[in-house]
Amino acid sequence: GQNIDQPTEMTATEGAIVQINCTYQTSGFNGLFWYQQHAGEAPTFLSYNVLDGLEEKGRFSSFLSRSKGYSYLLLKELQMKDSASYLCAVLDSNYQLIWGAGTKLIIKP
Amino acid sequence: GAVVSQHPSRVICKSGTSVKIECRSLDFQATTMFWYRQFPKKSLMLMATSNEGSKATYEQGVEKDKFLINHASLTLSTLTVTSAHPEDSSFYICSASPKAGGIYNEQFFGPGTRLTVL
Repeated sequence: GQNIDQPTEMTATEGAIVQINCTYQTSGFNGLFWYQQHAGEAPTFLSYNVLDGLEEKGRFSSFLSRSKGYSYLLLKELQMKDSASYLCAVLDSNYQLIWGAGTKLIIKP
Repeated sequence: GAVVSQHPSRVICKSGTSVKIECRSLDFQATTMFWYRQFPKKSLMLMATSNEGSKATYEQGVEKDKFLINHASLTLSTLTVTSAHPEDSSFYICSASPKAGGIYNEQFFGPGTRLTVL
């Protein structure tokens, strides 16, 4: 079956760095997405990786290793507004988006 | 750019009634639109994919006759929950993509609709 694993919840301190991991087992791979979702709101796009390596976008970076079925989202200089759920999603060989359950990130002052 | 709106944002209805949710792409033509359902503290569940002018493709387990999807134009898709019951209460989210077929890196989400069925 297809599976996306990410931690259920993480806690970090304002100003610090946090890494949210995602491992996947899917039938084929056409890219991996990270979305941010605040409570009661729809997801917003953060990043898309289809090749191995690190993609940096401001305070957020996303890394992909296709051979390991692994990705992480790195958030630097954490701000209180970064408190949200972070969803990992993989596009499989049929171009179906398989969603992880999300990681709830709690930022403490 | 790439704004998707949903209406209404919240709706409360009585059991047995039908509810229509609209999803609009405001500044681009959405060749493909997707409807998701999300339960509290759970991930997104794709319900159906709709392409403009054709019938929606429903995911396994989603009742076509209960969740009617219409994608009549390149900027509007509607989801009608027919004969709603309390178990249909959920957060419904649409997304739109300017590309045909599958989901690519340009997928823009609407703000979601909170449906509560009494």
